[in-house]
Amino acid sequence: KQEVTQIPAALSVPEGENLVLNCSFTDSAIYNLQWFRQDPGKGLTSLLLIQSSQREQTSGRLNASLDKSSGRSTLYIAASQPGDSATYLCAVDQTGANNLFFGTGTRLTVIP
Amino acid sequence: NAGVMQNPRHLVRRRGQEARLRCSPMKGHSHVYWYRQLPEEGLKFMVYLQKENIIDESGMPKERFSAEFPKEGPSILRIQQVVRGDSAAYFCASSPLSNQPQHFGDGTRLSIL
Repeated sequence: KQEVTQIPAALSVPEGENLVLNCSFTDSAIYNLQWFRQDPGKGLTSLLLIQSSQREQTSGRLNASLDKSSGRSTLYIAASQPGDSATYLCAVDQTGANNLFFGTGTRLTVIP
Repeated sequence: NAGVMQNPRHLVRRRGQEARLRCSPMKGHSHVYWYRQLPEEGLKFMVYLQKENIIDESGMPKERFSAEFPKEGPSILRIQQVVRGDSAAYFCASSPLSNQPQHFGDGTRLSIL
């Protein structure tokens, strides 16, 4: 059964720093991987989706990479801002049927 | 273009009562997914429905929980005879096709007294 782990569970950085969030998964036979953002009391907002055949995706200050063989993905956030403070979740779709396996998230705080 | 709408946002029930959670998918989306987020845990898939059909209910507890997505109206997640352990945030997501990204609602926070 697929298990998704995110480390660290919480991270605090000063504004302007670049940072990396990590996600690992136990079964490398995946269809795609997504990174989401969750604000307190809110639902999830999709940030980036990487298909299994891709190595990375970029959107603005965000860059997500995927290494299927090692079961790892990273989310790189450049020049962090206080508005980036949120919980970041990665989720794996194993079959393309959209049954997502989520990690427990990394709670990011960007200090002004 | 409204997003995924879930109501109520907060629901309080006493042990033994029934809880009904509603989800209206985005316009044009016929695929609905329900997830549960227990305190300090990640989101766990519960059930995937397409209009009038349950496609995958592998994450649904075998007893007390049921879901439907009728031809007309919202999808309903129903929990009968609630217990304290049902306290969680329940999220609904929708997509236009099964292999396209899901859009999430803001969730219903269920508290059991």
